[in-house]
Order: sequence, then C-alpha cells, then structure tokens
Amino acid sequence: GESVGLHLPTLSVQEGDNSIINCAYSNSASDYFIWYKQESGKGPQFIIDIRSNMDKRQGQRVTVLLNKTVKHLSLQIAATQPGDSAVYFCAEDFTGGGNKLTFGTGTQLKVEL
Amino acid sequence: DSGVTQTPKHLITATGQRVTLRCSPRSGDLSVYWYQQSLDQGLQFLIQYYNGEERAKGNILERFSAQQFPDLHSELNLSSLELGDSALYFCASSPGPGNQPQHFGDGTRLSIL
Repeated sequence: GESVGLHLPTLSVQEGDNSIINCAYSNSASDYFIWYKQESGKGPQFIIDIRSNMDKRQGQRVTVLLNKTVKHLSLQIAATQPGDSAVYFCAEDFTGGGNKLTFGTGTQLKVEL
Repeated sequence: DSGVTQTPKHLITATGQRVTLRCSPRSGDLSVYWYQQSLDQGLQFLIQYYNGEERAKGNILERFSAQQFPDLHSELNLSSLELGDSALYFCASSPGPGNQPQHFGDGTRLSIL
C-alpha cells in the first residue's frame, strides 16, 4: 500500500516579519530542549537550546521561550529572511542525560518575498 | 558545514543484504549518535556511543548494531534489510556525554529495492 508521510504544519511569513514556531512537548520530566533547522538534502542544524531551569534564551536573531506549566516551547525568529526557509524541529530529553532526544514532527517555514 | 562526515551519501541495496554506514565526528567530540529519519516515523534516536562505550539506546532494532572505534569514528551496521529500512540515517556528535547540542552530518540515504 501507499505509505503516508508525516503531515507537516506550514507557517508562511513575509520577508522581514517575525516568525513564531510553536512546539508542544510530551513529557513533564523533560529538562533539556533544543531547536534544529533542516534544509532539503541536509542534516538538522543546531539553532538554540534551553534547560528547564530557564524560561527564555536568546541567540542571534532567535529567541526560545519555555513554558513548563503547559509544556510548550516556541522559537521566535526576528526579521525572517529567505534563507530561514526550512523545516524546524523541536526536541526534548526526559532521561536526565541530555542525550536521548525525542524529536517533534517539525514545522515547515516558508518565507515569501 | 557541521564538521560531521558521513559516508556514503547514498546506498542502494536489496532486501536481505547487509550494509555499513560510517561516521566521523567533529574534531574533539567524544560522543556519536545515530538517528533514523523516515517519512512515517520522523527523526528517531537509535543509539549513542561515548568514548568507545555504548551510552544510551533508543529504538534500535536487533538487526542493527553500531560501534565506536578508538579513533572515535563510528559505524552503523544494518543487516537482513527490509523494505521498511529505507530511510535517511544521520550521525551526530557532541563533545561530552550529554546536555550539549548535537551536531549532525548530512546523512546517508538508504534505499532498499
């Protein structure tokens, strides 16, 4: 039979606007979270990480927010550029070792000129 | 360029066969991780080695095995291949055993005919 691929939610934004990509994580015991960007034909590229003792962390043009109460993680990208178009994955680790990452299904970000 | 090198980039083989995927971690990284990315399962953690020793195990089939050599490169061996093993296989590395960003290679695309 035909295999069905994962349905990726898509976020379309205009170039220059801010993007917010959301992620609901699964395990309340998770203490390490990380965002990756994956372009077609390439491996996931590290963007930013955050530990559970923080609720916000900023990088270059990116901010990650963590809300442990509702098990929600978000990635904010400022002044979105065409090169930001990719699939974005959040990942969590609930084993305490920070090494067994469980990945979400991903969000496709499309930047329109 | 993440600094993680995976070979080969593409591999086409038949059911029942055995293949070996190779990974060279970033210079100085002691941990190597293997992941499988398929259309219907997303990105799944298989196994981690740290400085030659198995550190963590995920959803790795018994037909699959891995090892990390004294020079820190790693190999993932897949045997008795089935159609469902067709996927992208990624290797990632990090300096320590965990709680650090993992940096991914560009993967090996395995196609089973």
